[in-house]
Amino acid sequence: AQSVAQPEDQVNVAEGNPLTVKCTYSVSGNPYLFWYVQYPNRGLQFLLKYITGDNLVKGSYGFEAEFNKSQTSFHLKKPSALVSDSALYFCAVRDDDMRFGAGTRLTVKP
Amino acid sequence: DTAVSQTPKYLVTQMGNDKSIKCEQNLGHDTMYWYKQDSKKFLKIMFSYNNKELIINETVPNRFSPKSPDKAHLNLHINSLELGDSAVYFCASSQEGLGPHTQYFGPGTRLTVL
Repeated sequence: AQSVAQPEDQVNVAEGNPLTVKCTYSVSGNPYLFWYVQYPNRGLQFLLKYITGDNLVKGSYGFEAEFNKSQTSFHLKKPSALVSDSALYFCAVRDDDMRFGAGTRLTVKP
Repeated sequence: DTAVSQTPKYLVTQMGNDKSIKCEQNLGHDTMYWYKQDSKKFLKIMFSYNNKELIINETVPNRFSPKSPDKAHLNLHINSLELGDSAVYFCASSQEGLGPHTQYFGPGTRLTVL
């Protein structure tokens, strides 16, 4: 069965600094990997996904994620964080169904 | 235009009551889902429907029953509500079933059982 892990409950960065939100996965076949963001009192918004091809996937709001097969990771990154990026981020893997990680709360401080 | 909508946004009710949450999508998707997000923000899939057929049911109590009158709607009916049912429930939709299809989420319904 597929699963994802987000090892950090909380990530704090200063505005303007690069940010990384970590995700590792476990699947039996080819992984379909997703990142979603949840702002307070809102539903999940799709950021990006990896299906196949280029290991660096670019998504919404300047976010990108790097698929690393050898490390079974799919970390979310952004070169320069904004205060408005503060939210809850979910990594997900799709096989039989969609499995979400536990979420990582990103706080960007001015 | 709202892609996936849910009503109500908030629902407060007494233990033992029966309630329904409605979901509608205008994306023309073939599959719809219900998720439960608990107080720790953990997301768990409850159901998915593809062309009016239930294709996933993740060990959810039979007090919960999804009802899909048509492809654009998937309502969640809950009988005999319990305190542990308090959570945020999200509806989502995507193109047909398996594969790397993006799921689009509604704004959520916060259910509080007193």
